[in-house]
Amino acid sequence: KNQVEQSPQSLIILEGKNCTLQCNYTVSPFSNLRWYKQDTGRGPVSLTIMTFSENTKSNGRYTATLDADTKQSSLHITASQLSDSASYICVVSAGSNSGYALNFGKGTSLLVTP
Amino acid sequence: AAGVIQSPRHLIKEKRETATLKCYPIPRHDTVYWYQQGPGQDPQFLISFYEKMQSDKGSIPDRFSAQQFSDYHSELNMSSLELGDSALYFCASSLLVAGDLYEQYFGPGTRLTVT
Repeated sequence: KNQVEQSPQSLIILEGKNCTLQCNYTVSPFSNLRWYKQDTGRGPVSLTIMTFSENTKSNGRYTATLDADTKQSSLHITASQLSDSASYICVVSAGSNSGYALNFGKGTSLLVTP
Repeated sequence: AAGVIQSPRHLIKEKRETATLKCYPIPRHDTVYWYQQGPGQDPQFLISFYEKMQSDKGSIPDRFSAQQFSDYHSELNMSSLELGDSALYFCASSLLVAGDLYEQYFGPGTRLTVT
């Protein structure tokens, strides 16, 4: 069972609008949570990374929040651009050794239209 | 800035053949990870190496093996290929950011098609 659940599965918004993507996880023990942007057929690119002690982190127009108590995270995109069209993947890491693996959500497919 | 390099970018093989995928991590990165992403699926962790030693093992089939060499590049060897092995294979390398927090950087992937 996937331990990282994302919603919505897909989203269509107009250019310039804001949107918020959701992520719920059950991965334990929790180490950190990341949001990645993945263009079709390309490797994921990291947007933000947060440990349990952080509850918000921004990267340009991207702002991620984390509630470690409820095990929820969100990614807010402001003033969307056509180039934001991609899959946004929530990734949760467990453990703290150097070889730990990432638990991927299935992603939210975002389409920004003119 | 240098990124993770994977080769080949595309590979077509027939069932029961073997394939070797290569990954060249970002210089000074000491950990390499391999992921398999099937069509419409999220990436699944296969295996990782830290300082040339296997550090973690995920859902890697017994038909697959991997190693990390002295120059830190890694190879994923796949034998007796099956149609279900058709996927995008990502390699990532990581760098210690702070404390025990590692940031993983992904390569562009190798698209393997088994016919």
